[in-house]
Amino acid sequence: DIQMTQSPSSLSASIGDRVTITCQASQGIGKYLNWYQQKPGKAPKLLIYDASNLQTGVPSRFSGSGSGTDFTVTITSLQPEDIATYYCQQYNNLPFTFGPGTKVHIK
Amino acid sequence: EMQLVESGGGLLQPGGSLRLSCVASGFTFNVYAMSWVRQAPGKGLEWVSGIGGSGGDTYYADSVKGRFTISRDNAKNTVYLQMNSLRAEDTAVYYCAKMSGSAWKNIFNYWGQGTLVTVSS
Repeated sequence: DIQMTQSPSSLSASIGDRVTITCQASQGIGKYLNWYQQKPGKAPKLLIYDASNLQTGVPSRFSGSGSGTDFTVTITSLQPEDIATYYCQQYNNLPFTFGPGTKVHIK
Repeated sequence: EMQLVESGGGLLQPGGSLRLSCVASGFTFNVYAMSWVRQAPGKGLEWVSGIGGSGGDTYYADSVKGRFTISRDNAKNTVYLQMNSLRAEDTAVYYCAKMSGSAWKNIFNYWGQGTLVTVSS
């Protein structure tokens, strides 16, 4: 199975800060990497697919990059509604695997 | 508007069985693969099983292989997860997720609100 790691596991930032979360795959997955946002008590929501494509309706302050084994998601100006846990997920191979998540708090 | 509504969760003892259902609306159901993804309390996401658009191809995580069976009824716009020989570690919220295409190699692009399964004696 492909193992996904994320860092940091949690972070605190101020409104307006630039926030970056990284995700690493245990083997190359091309660009078969998605990011999901999960707010407390809610279902996950697709944020970014294929490493860098913004899902329809997602604010442009979110962006993704990377390929192979190393990926990032960036929030250029953190907003209160961005408080959530962010998960990366690979779909290059079965089983699909998720990273452990990064919890974003407001400082 | 796209909608996925899961049902069938509940409290049951180890060794028991349960069938989850997910009714879809707002899209052409038989075109898209579907998956079940679970989340244990306070934990991360774990993909459980997937099924192709026609229902002919099914896929399972090793943790549930031989115990869970995924199926779909395209006439009823419904995907099912039959769970047998349940264990305490199967306790989780189970989400139904629509894939972005008919085959397995696709994105979870829409999720239901989930149904809670609790396995405890």
